[in-house]
Amino acid sequence: DIQMTQSPSSLSASVGDVVTITCRASQSISSHLNWYQQKSGKAPKLLIYAASSFQSGVPSRFSGSGSGTDFTLTISSLQPEDFATYYCQQSYSTPLSFGGGTKVEIK
Amino acid sequence: EVQLVESGGGLLQPGGSLRLSCAASGFTFSTYDMHWVRQATGKGLEWVSAINTAGDPYYSGSVKGRFTISRENAKNSLYLQMDSLRAGDTAVYYCARGLASVMDVWGKGTTVTVSS
Repeated sequence: DIQMTQSPSSLSASVGDVVTITCRASQSISSHLNWYQQKSGKAPKLLIYAASSFQSGVPSRFSGSGSGTDFTLTISSLQPEDFATYYCQQSYSTPLSFGGGTKVEIK
Repeated sequence: EVQLVESGGGLLQPGGSLRLSCAASGFTFSTYDMHWVRQATGKGLEWVSAINTAGDPYYSGSVKGRFTISRENAKNSLYLQMDSLRAGDTAVYYCARGLASVMDVWGKGTTVTVSS
């Protein structure tokens, strides 16, 4: 089974900051990596798929990069509506797996 | 509007059974894989099960042999039969639409609580 490790598990940032979240797979997953945003009490929302492709409607301040085992989600200028928990997920093989999540909080 | 609505959650004792349903609308249900993902209170997301368009099921190790996923395309519905439930199965259960194992549409979830 493929294990997904995210870091950091939480971070504090201010509006306008650049935020970077990393995700590491326990084996190569090519570009089969997706990012989701989950706000408190809500269902997750797909942000980025295939490591760097934008889901329709996602603001351009979100970007994804990486391949193989190491991936990054970057928010170029943090906005108030971006405070949430972010999860990576590998879609390379079953059982599918998520990272543990990164909670982005207001500084 | 593309929509998924889960139902069937509840409170039950360890060892019990429950069947969750997910009603899909706004898209051609039969052409998509479907997934169940759960989240215990204060914890992360855990993939539970998936079923592809051919009806082939896939399970996580933690539920294999106890849960059964199925679909009824004529009713645009996804199901999760959960047997031999444990306290560790307590969570919000989400259904999600899948395309190449990318979950692009999610329901709001239904809560399952297993407690004596």
